[in-house]
Amino acid sequence: GESVGLHLPTLSVQEGDNSIINCAYSNSASDYFIWYKQESGKGPQFIIDIRSNMDKRQGQRVTVLLNKTVKHLSLQIAATQPGDSAVYFCAEIRGNEKLTFGTGTRLTIIP
Amino acid sequence: EAEVAQSPRYKITEKSQAVAFWCDPISGHATLYWYRQILGQGPELLVQFQDESVVDDSQLPKDRFSAERLKGVDSTLKIQPAELGDSAMYLCASSRWGNTIYFGEGSWLTVV
Repeated sequence: GESVGLHLPTLSVQEGDNSIINCAYSNSASDYFIWYKQESGKGPQFIIDIRSNMDKRQGQRVTVLLNKTVKHLSLQIAATQPGDSAVYFCAEIRGNEKLTFGTGTRLTIIP
Repeated sequence: EAEVAQSPRYKITEKSQAVAFWCDPISGHATLYWYRQILGQGPELLVQFQDESVVDDSQLPKDRFSAERLKGVDSTLKIQPAELGDSAMYLCASSRWGNTIYFGEGSWLTVV
């Protein structure tokens, strides 16, 4: 079936290094992708989004890259901080505004 | 900054009892979603509203779950009767059509 998946369930990164979290999707008709950060016991927090007509978008310390050829997107976090420790989800939206999540990657920042 | 409000934050209920969750979306957001998130998994859509109309409830277990958004603003999700497998976090989210979807802090349900 159609799905949004993540390559790795866990990722550990040294504080101050850059993190890259990857996500694969299978539906080429997806219009819009969103990255969410979820801290323990809290709801998903919007980080950054990208539309299917773009291949890169930058925010504060974060960059999302979209490669439609291989149906892959990534979230890059620059100079990771302890507060970046969380589970990160990519999610896709199709024409009916239905938001579908992947399984998540747990990012751990090592001091 | 406007937020999606949810209550209660935590709920413990016995199986076979009824439980209800309430959500107040961000003002002006016509689209409202209810998601269920089991520990260690990603959120799964239960129901999606556009104003007061249901757009998608294909994953809602309709024998025990119901959702309403009578005036197209706030919404209630009800479970009756609750089962042990319903223990999860119930998330509400809202958006303007075609724009970012924002989530509330969720309601934790434990069925004992």
